[in-house]
Amino acid sequence: AQSVTQLDSQVPVFEEAPVELRCNYSSSVSVYLFWYVQYPNQGLQLLLKYLSGSTLVKGINGFEAEFNKSQTSFHLRKPSVHISDTAEYFCAVTLAAGNKLTFGGGTRVLVKP
Amino acid sequence: AAGVIQSPRHLIKEKRETATLKCYPIPRHDTVYWYQQGPGQDPQFLISFYEKMQSDKGSIPDRFSAQQFSDYHSELNMSSLELGDSALYFCASSPEIAGVQYNEQFFGPGTRLTVL
Repeated sequence: AQSVTQLDSQVPVFEEAPVELRCNYSSSVSVYLFWYVQYPNQGLQLLLKYLSGSTLVKGINGFEAEFNKSQTSFHLRKPSVHISDTAEYFCAVTLAAGNKLTFGGGTRVLVKP
Repeated sequence: AAGVIQSPRHLIKEKRETATLKCYPIPRHDTVYWYQQGPGQDPQFLISFYEKMQSDKGSIPDRFSAQQFSDYHSELNMSSLELGDSALYFCASSPEIAGVQYNEQFFGPGTRLTVL
């Protein structure tokens, strides 16, 4: 079975500073990887996904993530955050299209002015 | 663009009551997934349906049941509610394109269930 670990439960960051959210996964087979964002009292919105090909994936709102197979990681980065990026971020994996998503514990990002 | 619709958005029930949550997937999406997100927790997979048949089952209590109807909407039925069932319940949907299941799930806004 696959599992996901998000190494930081909370990340405080100042506005316009860079941020990196760490995600490691465990699986004996190839997986698809996703990052979702959840704003307060809202649903889950897809930021980006890795299926295959280039290991650097660009998503919405200036986010990008890098897939590292040897380290089984899929860290999310943004070079300059805004107040509006305050939210909870979830890393997720699935074994194949049409299969369930397994989520990490989430990282709460608090952007301070 | 049309999104996944969930109703009701908020629901308050007493212990031992029943609840029915509804999910209307994006048009032409034939796969529906249900997830439960407890307070301060990550979403946990409950169950999924493809073409009206159950396709996978996760940590769904026996008190819960679900089905997908001919119009592809899905309902999650919860009986003998317990305090621990208080959570945000998400529905997601995905399409099949050219005979291949699409690799992204589109989430609804969730139904917040509070059990008193």
